[in-house]
Amino acid sequence: AQKVTQAQTEISVVEKEDVTLDCVYETRDTTYYLFWYKQPPSGELVFLIRRNSFDEQNEISGRYSWNFQKSTSSFNFTITASQVVDSAVYFCALSESNYGGATNKLIFGTGTLLAVQP
Amino acid sequence: NAGVTQTPKFRILKIGQSMTLQCTQDMNHNYMYWYRQDPGMGLKLIYYSVGAGITDKGEVPNGYNVSRSTTEDFPLRLELAAPSQTSVYFCASRKGQEWGEAFFGQGTRLTVV
Repeated sequence: AQKVTQAQTEISVVEKEDVTLDCVYETRDTTYYLFWYKQPPSGELVFLIRRNSFDEQNEISGRYSWNFQKSTSSFNFTITASQVVDSAVYFCALSESNYGGATNKLIFGTGTLLAVQP
Repeated sequence: NAGVTQTPKFRILKIGQSMTLQCTQDMNHNYMYWYRQDPGMGLKLIYYSVGAGITDKGEVPNGYNVSRSTTEDFPLRLELAAPSQTSVYFCASRKGQEWGEAFFGQGTRLTVV
């Protein structure tokens, strides 16, 4: 069965600190997709990144970077030089491949609330 | 391009009342999803649909029903509202079989009293 665990419920940092949000997943599928979404205080869900199970390259986008390690079933998210605008709830999510007609659900973790203090 | 539109944004229901949460997307996406978000619990999948006429249960379907008569619309029905259904509801859609970006609506905040 699919499962996504975000063990960090809340993290508080001071502006300009680096912060890493952890995500550990479980799946029996060999083909799957991992995602990060941001939910700012306004409530909408903002897509940040998608990674498929065959691509273990780390990704960097500005101050954001992602570290995908299949060996530890982790897909961690790092914000460098955090800013107050980064304050939000961040969700990690997992989707298995539906080749052959499986469910293709998108399963979310419980989220990590990041508070960046000025 | 409106994306995914949910209505209403807020609603207060009395126990036992029924209502329909509307979700419409104009991106011709085949896949549509309903989630509920409870505090500290992440998003739980209620129902999903892989195309018009096809729906299936997610993790927490009890107390809800859906239909998908068109590609654009995926309404969520609450027949007998209960306080446990107080939550924020999100509708999402995505294109095709390969999981690309999922587009989410703005959410509906429902309170059952």
